[in-house]
Amino acid sequence: DQQVKQNSPSLSVQEGRISILNCDYTNSMFDYFLWYKKYPAEGPTFLISISSIKDKNEDGRFTVFLNKSAKHLSLHIVPSQPGDSAVYFCAASANQAGTALIFGKGTTLSVSS
Amino acid sequence: NAGVTQTPKFRVLKTGQSMTLLCAQDMNHEYMYWYRQDPGMGLRLIHYSVGEGTTAKGEVPDGYNVSRLKKQNFLLGLESAAPSQTSVYFCASSYSGLQETQYFGPGTRLLVL
Repeated sequence: DQQVKQNSPSLSVQEGRISILNCDYTNSMFDYFLWYKKYPAEGPTFLISISSIKDKNEDGRFTVFLNKSAKHLSLHIVPSQPGDSAVYFCAASANQAGTALIFGKGTTLSVSS
Repeated sequence: NAGVTQTPKFRVLKTGQSMTLLCAQDMNHEYMYWYRQDPGMGLRLIHYSVGEGTTAKGEVPDGYNVSRLKKQNFLLGLESAAPSQTSVYFCASSYSGLQETQYFGPGTRLLVL
């Protein structure tokens, strides 16, 4: 059973508009969440993270929102740029010994100019 | 500062052959990880290490072995390759904890015929 779910395999957005990528989780012990970005033929790169003590974290054009009661987080990209076209992975972890990051299956974002 | 490097970049194996994938990091990170990425499956953890001389199983460890003889290196071995092990393999490292941001290598594409 998937503990971290990205239910939209793909998203298409026009340049300049907002991109919203969603992620749901089932494990209530998760307390740290990250977003990674991956271009073809490259490894994932860290984008932004959020701790469960916050409900929002912002870094430039990227903002992550966390709704703990709904077990849902979202990544907002404003404004979207063609260079943002990539696969975005949501990941979560619990502060327990022996547990590692659990990744979602990813959402492919395409930003058209 | 090369970050995380992986060798080889691409390899073709016949069923039953063995091989070792090498991961090296120059960031003095304690934790290292091996993932596999399959279409529609996201990133799945194979094995990880919390320090030199230690290893632990991840989500999909069967068919793989690992060793961490030196802090900077993490080796992934396939003793008898199977077509189901055709995948892209990513190595990652993090400074001190399983919840820490992980830094990924560029990946190794493996095809088992």
